[in-house]
Amino acid sequence: DQQVKQNSPSLSVQEGRISILNCDYTNSMFDYFLWYKKYPAEGPTFLISISSIKDKNEDGRFTVFLNKSAKHLSLHIVPSQPGDSAVYFCAASAPRAGNMLTFGGGTRLMVKP
Amino acid sequence: DTGVSQDPRHKITKRGQNVTFRCDPISEHNRLYWYRQTLGQGPEFLTYFQNEAQLEKSRLLSDRFSAERPKGSFSTLEIQRTEQGDSAMYLCASSSRPGGTVKLYYNEQFFGPGTRLTVL
Repeated sequence: DQQVKQNSPSLSVQEGRISILNCDYTNSMFDYFLWYKKYPAEGPTFLISISSIKDKNEDGRFTVFLNKSAKHLSLHIVPSQPGDSAVYFCAASAPRAGNMLTFGGGTRLMVKP
Repeated sequence: DTGVSQDPRHKITKRGQNVTFRCDPISEHNRLYWYRQTLGQGPEFLTYFQNEAQLEKSRLLSDRFSAERPKGSFSTLEIQRTEQGDSAMYLCASSSRPGGTVKLYYNEQFFGPGTRLTVL
């Protein structure tokens, strides 16, 4: 069963506009959520995270929103830049030994100049 | 560069052969993770070490897979009698324990570039 889902496999936006990437989860034990960005032939790179005690975390052009009641989080990128074109993974962690990450399937973002 | 490194970056092998991958974590990190990623999917957890102790293993880690982390430094992942279904990207990540001396986000894991395995 997929505990973390990214229902949009791809997203295309114009440079300068807002990109919104969505993620849904089913496990109510998850208490920490992360977004990773991945370029081809590279490992995932950490972008931003949020604890379940918050509903928003902002870092420069990146903002993550968490709606616990809906078990939904989103990543907003504004303004979007062509260099943001990559695959974005949502990941979640539960308070257990090791805190392994459970990843969604990824969303490919394409930012057009 | 003090990031996570993995060797080799690419491995092509014939079915039935054994392969071994190496991961060197960030030096001050005591936690090390192995993940596997297949095409179009997100990374899936395989196993986790805290220092030299292997504390958790996924059901994905069949008895053909073995991982070690001698002396709590680098780690190796061995796959015996490889099958075509083992073809994937094998990712290693490391992190410090929350509350450690390195200023990091809670549970942030740093990933290496991965080893792409192709089993013919």
